[in-house]
Amino acid sequence: DVVMTQSPLSLPVTLGQPASISCRSSQSLVYSDGNTYLNWFQQRPGQSPRRLIYKVSNRDSGVPDRFSGSGSGTDFTLKISRVEAEDVGVYYCMQGTHWPGTFGQGTKVEIK
Amino acid sequence: QVQLQESGPGLVKPSQTLSLTCTVSGGSISSGDYYWSWIRQPPGKGLEWIGYIYYSGSTYYNPSLKSRVTISVDTSKNQFSLKLSSVTAADTAVYYCARSGSGYGAMDGMDVWGQGTTVTVSS
Repeated sequence: DVVMTQSPLSLPVTLGQPASISCRSSQSLVYSDGNTYLNWFQQRPGQSPRRLIYKVSNRDSGVPDRFSGSGSGTDFTLKISRVEAEDVGVYYCMQGTHWPGTFGQGTKVEIK
Repeated sequence: QVQLQESGPGLVKPSQTLSLTCTVSGGSISSGDYYWSWIRQPPGKGLEWIGYIYYSGSTYYNPSLKSRVTISVDTSKNQFSLKLSSVTAADTAVYYCARSGSGYGAMDGMDVWGQGTTVTVSS
């Protein structure tokens, strides 16, 4: 299986400040159709996961534009431009290029 | 707005079979536009994709669980189900049902999730 490695695993952030989460895959996530199937999920405390971004940089409907995704090949980043209180939770990257799709260990974002 | 709801026993004995059902409302499983998945999350751990099914009955299982997993669909009830046999304490987790796009859409992950149901394996 493709291993997804996130860093950091814990990210204390000051409200209004930016945050960045790194995700690396053990294999290239470029599929034969040219797309890169790297997705990001947010799991707020006590809630189900929610997809934020698919195919590296496409925001889901209703996701604030302070969330952005970037990267290519095996290296990817989720950025929050200005952290708000509602952003507290665990963030997971997930690759869908190789079956089975696999998730990173999660990065816990908390407010300092 | 499509909604998913898991149901089933919260406690299963070791070596027995875990059985869960996901009821879909606000949309039809038979539309053919989506795959229907099961994902689990052990306590304090990350997410594991168990497998998914198409309305036609085509299934895709995680190889690590394939020998013990069966996912089925009942289009007349707008439900799909998970059976996991020979369970052990390691199968204790929150089990989620979820939806993803069909075709290459499955690779975009899941865009709608159920609230999850906790299953504990214990005698």
